[in-house]
Parts: sequence; structure tokens; C-alpha cells
Amino acid sequence: GAGVSQSPSNKVTEKGKDVELRCDPISGHTALYWYRQRLGQGLEFLIYFQGNSAPDKSGLPSDRFSAERTGESVSTLTIQRTQQEDSAVYLCASSLLGGLYGYTFGSGTRLTVV
Amino acid sequence: SQQGEEDPQALSIQEGENATMNCSYKTSINNLQWYRQNSGRGLVHLILIRSNEREKHSGRLRVTLDTSKKSSSLLITASRAADTASYFCATDEGYGQNFVFGPGTRLSVLP
Repeated sequence: GAGVSQSPSNKVTEKGKDVELRCDPISGHTALYWYRQRLGQGLEFLIYFQGNSAPDKSGLPSDRFSAERTGESVSTLTIQRTQQEDSAVYLCASSLLGGLYGYTFGSGTRLTVV
Repeated sequence: SQQGEEDPQALSIQEGENATMNCSYKTSINNLQWYRQNSGRGLVHLILIRSNEREKHSGRLRVTLDTSKKSSSLLITASRAADTASYFCATDEGYGQNFVFGPGTRLSVLP
């Protein structure tokens, strides 16, 4: 597609429920990234996929968080047993060559845990 | 680990004035990027500067990089109300690695 697409754009969920966030990167972009941004704060790195290499999961805050990517296409970020502190905007970005030409970001999913 | 850190945290100027934001980082980098974010959603890539470059221009934007001081600056000349946004620097920690973002500078351009 023309840009990075994320869905849903907004999600309200009850504490304890699981949620799944989706990211469709730009076709041909080998690298895909997930970031979390709490209100008024900077971006917190979560996970990075590069081609068929093992993902860099070093930013995942707990084992409730996991992500998958099918080949060089769609990625899903799953948060199990959501907590109120998980409330944030989750941003996905894709790029060529590990970001050396810049990242293209999606519009994000705003997650609210009530 | 947080790499880049922007300064100031917030900046308010009048339309037509220049805005300067700074970014400091801790370890050696290969590349540094600047991004703009409107309304807390997706970020837009502005400019990338490589470690062997000292200055780059793009329209009203000028980015400098001083690797000896581990710092970069973003200058927006002749600012407009539409430049109101948060600006982030991002640095890489190695070739092919993810970029780490700083907390950002919130710029307000008053008409």
C-alpha cells in the first residue's frame, strides 16, 4: 500500500482482556518496528523485525506482550491480560535497510484499558 | 537505553521567528534522524544526517551534527503556525539496529 496502515485506530478494552493490534507495512519494506507512546511522552521501543532474522524483542516490557510477523508483511502485536498502564498509543513503522532512509510511521492505535 | 535527549522540552515562539531544538546522545552513532509528530499520532520523517556529515538542509530546516560533542540541532527558519508539533531526534546504536527516540521537544508557534 501507499503507507503504513494500523488497525484498529482506537481500542477500548476492559482490564484483564487480551488485545491484538495489526500493522500493514509498506510493500517491500524489510524492517518493521513497534513503539509505545504514553501521553505526552516519547517513543518507547518494543520490538523490531528485519527480514527473516530473529526479531529484537529487547524492548517488550513483560511476557504479556508478544508480536509476530509473517514474512515481510503484516505484523500483529498482542497484549495479554491488559493492565491500565498499557494504555498508550502503539505506533508501527516500516523501513528499508534498517531505517537508513527513515522510518514511515502508521497513525497508531490508541489503546485505552478501563 | 535512551539514546537521544531533546532540549528544550517545550518551546514557544512567534510566527516568523526561528526555532532551534537540540539533541544530545550518549554513545557513538552511525546516523541521526529528526521527526515531527502532530496531535500525538504518526511521526513524519524530516531529515537524516550521517555521522560523517556536519550539516544538512531541507527547505526551511537545517540540521547540524557535532559528533565530538555528541549533539545535533534542528533549526526551523521563518516558523509558521503549521510548524506547531513535537519534534523528536532518533539515533541508531549500530548498523541495521533500531533507532532510539528521545522524549521530544514540543514547539508552539503563535500567530
